[in-house]
Amino acid sequence: GAGVSQSPSNKVTEKGKDVELRCDPISGHTALYWYRQSLGQGLEFLIYFQGNSAPDKSGLPSDRFSAERTGGSVSTLTIQRTQQEDSAVYLCASSLAWDSPLHFGNGTRLTVT
Amino acid sequence: SQQGEEDPQALSIQEGENATMNCSYKTSINNLQWYRQNSGRGLVHLILIRSNEREKHSGRLRVTLDTSKKSSSLLITASRAADTASYFCATISGSRLTFGEGTQLTVNP
Repeated sequence: GAGVSQSPSNKVTEKGKDVELRCDPISGHTALYWYRQSLGQGLEFLIYFQGNSAPDKSGLPSDRFSAERTGGSVSTLTIQRTQQEDSAVYLCASSLAWDSPLHFGNGTRLTVT
Repeated sequence: SQQGEEDPQALSIQEGENATMNCSYKTSINNLQWYRQNSGRGLVHLILIRSNEREKHSGRLRVTLDTSKKSSSLLITASRAADTASYFCATISGSRLTFGEGTQLTVNP
C-alpha cells in the first residue's frame, strides 16, 4: 500500500521567502509528526498531531514556523521568512495510534540560499 | 535535550561480526523503538519493545530493555554490508516520540 508521501523532495529558496512543505500520511493513521534533521544529526521534534486533539507545537523553533493538518489527513508545514539556518531535511511520519511505530516519508530537503 | 542517547556514535566492523548499539534514556517510558536510516532516506521502524518486556527478537535483531538502568541495546548478528546505516532509538515521553542522535554503523565487506 501507499506509504507516507512528502512533497517536494527538494526545495531551494532564497532567504526571506516563505515555503510550504506537504505531507500525505498513510490513510487511517491518526498521529502525524514533523521532525527536522540537519546533516549527520539526530531528529529534532517540531510538532505532533493526534486525532482531533490540539497539536503539540512545543518543538517549533520560532513563530516563523507553523503547521496544520486538514481533515485529519494531509499536513502542511509552513516556514515564513526563511533563514539559512532553516536549511535541513524535514521529515514527516504517521502512525496508527499514539504509541505505535512511525512510518516515515523520505523527507523534503530544504536549502535556503 | 534528547530523551534517548545512543552509544557509540560510530561503529565500524567487518562483515559477519556482531554489532551492538546502546541507548540510554531519562524518564519513564511506555515503549522503546529502534529505527534504521539509510543515507538520504526516511527512517524505517525495526522493532518495538514495551516497558514490561525485557528482550525481543526479530530475525538477526535482538533488543534488550533494562528499565531499572533506563537503557536498551540493539544487537545485529552476522552483520552484512547492507546493514550499513544509522540506527536510532526512540522513546515516548508524554505524548511525543523523541529520538537520540543515532549510531552510524559501517559494515565492511
